[in-house]
Amino acid sequence: NAGVMQNPRHLVRRRGQEARLRCSPMKGHSHVYWYRQLPEEGLKFMVYLQKENIIDESGMPKERFSAEFPKEGPSILRIQQVVRGDSAAYFCASSPPPASRTDTQYFGPGTRLTVL
Amino acid sequence: RKEVEQDPGPFNVPEGATVAFNCTYSNSASQSFFWYRQDCRKEPKLLMSVYSSGNEDGRFTAQLNRASQYISLLIRDSKLSDSATYLCVVRLNYGQNFVFGPGTRLSVLP
Repeated sequence: NAGVMQNPRHLVRRRGQEARLRCSPMKGHSHVYWYRQLPEEGLKFMVYLQKENIIDESGMPKERFSAEFPKEGPSILRIQQVVRGDSAAYFCASSPPPASRTDTQYFGPGTRLTVL
Repeated sequence: RKEVEQDPGPFNVPEGATVAFNCTYSNSASQSFFWYRQDCRKEPKLLMSVYSSGNEDGRFTAQLNRASQYISLLIRDSKLSDSATYLCVVRLNYGQNFVFGPGTRLSVLP
């Protein structure tokens, strides 16, 4: 059973470009979470999604950032017009559906975004 | 008040020491509790879930005090490999979001 997969693992963008980060949850998991971690700082929640639905986006910046989890395919975190301050590690996590009564969240290896 | 608070750290302890981390949460209706560890530049990994009766896994013991809204993690006989940041995580209920504490950094020194 493959774990949570994220790609790319490393992404370099120039200021003003777009960054697309992908996350495939563990098999059987229906919920996806995105977190951002700036260098030497803690984990910051961004958004919580299930397929075709955003459950909680209270941690998402109001501009330039968006997330989706389509019916088919991975979850995508999209950052438009990147700035140097977007340079960070972006972690995705997944968890089973609530009906499973299994409560654990597992993380992917992260995507390290560097904005030049 | 933050939803989940932890000892600010860092904790610097010698090998073989016993170290305890504390965590408090604000929502008394919270149902699920976890400890994760995060190594430098790596993803957080589940260390253990925390059950009402307390639970132990080798050198690690977790306790939950619902009345005081307090969770603890005890590490006995610390190893160099225990050096990491320890994250306290709370969930209100199934289907609700996970809330992470800021983490406590541990350095085990030779």
